[in-house]
Amino acid sequence: EAQVTQNPRYLITVTGKKLTVTCSQNMNHEYMSWYRQDPGLGLRQIYYSMNVEVTDKGDVPEGYKVSRKEKRNFPLILESPSPNQTSLYFCASSLSSRVPYEQYFGPGTRLTVT
Amino acid sequence: GQQLNQSPQSMFIQEGEDVSMNCTSSSIFNTWLWYKQDPGEGPVLLIALYKAGELTSNGRLTAQFGITRKDSFLNISASIPSDVGIYFCAGQLSAGGTSYGKLTFGQGTILTVHP
Repeated sequence: EAQVTQNPRYLITVTGKKLTVTCSQNMNHEYMSWYRQDPGLGLRQIYYSMNVEVTDKGDVPEGYKVSRKEKRNFPLILESPSPNQTSLYFCASSLSSRVPYEQYFGPGTRLTVT
Repeated sequence: GQQLNQSPQSMFIQEGEDVSMNCTSSSIFNTWLWYKQDPGEGPVLLIALYKAGELTSNGRLTAQFGITRKDSFLNISASIPSDVGIYFCAGQLSAGGTSYGKLTFGQGTILTVHP
């Protein structure tokens, strides 16, 4: 089944403890992206990747890192999480970086930082 | 970063009514998109608009790309209970190399449909 998977789905952690949220797609998609969703703010793009080893900042990249060593995986890294990073995170992928908007979204990861 | 203003923020309607929501931007977009998010799930693309003035339908949904390239609207006709969810507009910034892969989303419209 074609899908975008994220792990974990739920995570509660403490300030400063490094964490990684994994994202994987099995559709051989070029383009991948991370978003955070907060009430009243909609979805805001954190980072995106046009292809392997090519990443770029979205609108809210501060406090986050990403890597794209393989086409299928695009992990999101929080080196030192803070409470303002408590949010619902979505990974998405698209077949072509030329049409990044036809995206498939993962199920979301709800992160709480205390 | 860029901001899209989406309105209304929420709507409470009766089954069978028509719904209209819109997005405006201070910047020009190449592409306008409309997504729906069901509770507990990720957004799903409903309609994509590629040209200024374009009017596109998908079943009971109709969306238009504004002539100025700075706005778009989505209409849902004869609403049904399964239309409940959050609707997002999104825009792809003007072609310009580094911004090509960047998408900006509106704040969302929460739609509630009473049977």
